[in-house]
Amino acid sequence: QQQVKQSPQSLIVQKGGISIINCAYENTAFDYFPWYQQFPGKGPALLIAIRPDVSEKKEGRFTISFNKSAKQFSLHIMDSQPGDSATYFCAASGGATNKLIFGTGTLLAVQP
Amino acid sequence: ETGVTQSPTHLIKTRGQQVTLRCSSQSGHNTVSWYQQALGQGPQFIFQYYREEENGRGNFPPRFSGLQFPNYSSELNVNALELDDSALYLCASSLEENNGSPLHFGNGTRLTVT
Repeated sequence: QQQVKQSPQSLIVQKGGISIINCAYENTAFDYFPWYQQFPGKGPALLIAIRPDVSEKKEGRFTISFNKSAKQFSLHIMDSQPGDSATYFCAASGGATNKLIFGTGTLLAVQP
Repeated sequence: ETGVTQSPTHLIKTRGQQVTLRCSSQSGHNTVSWYQQALGQGPQFIFQYYREEENGRGNFPPRFSGLQFPNYSSELNVNALELDDSALYLCASSLEENNGSPLHFGNGTRLTVT
């Protein structure tokens, strides 16, 4: 019940295309859903986050779509660029602390 | 404002040895969390410290222990190292321990146990 399932494991997108990464969760107590971006040799960096009271949040080229009834959320990267090539992790937390449960990651490669 | 820094960046230890990893949190951040990231996996929560007290623990044995100091520095100690402890260890600080308080990660310490 504590898992966050992420797909796909890897993704190849052409420059200018849309990258879509999906996550699903079971624990209905989760109420904070961030996405992290990690480059090789670096720690994860917060990209964007959403609470379940909204169905969509957009920041620049990055959008989170949230479906509370399906217990799913996804990251959309519009106009994908080679510099977006990285590993993306969804995560979730709930309750009193900010302990995060991470998905297994998606390796995104944007081809020029 | 300095970010989260970790030392050392890489470390090689032998099975059965003990290791101490260090972290310097972002100034003003009262909370530090440690995560273990195995190769090709997402980070897994080890424990969290808030104002120098352990505030939550993941599914890790007692040989994983930590300390948080008043000067925003912290340590992760691992005793009796096992081969499976080989991983990237990430420190993350946050302003508060509350749900939704963003985590700021360091670049990690790559531990190899042989």
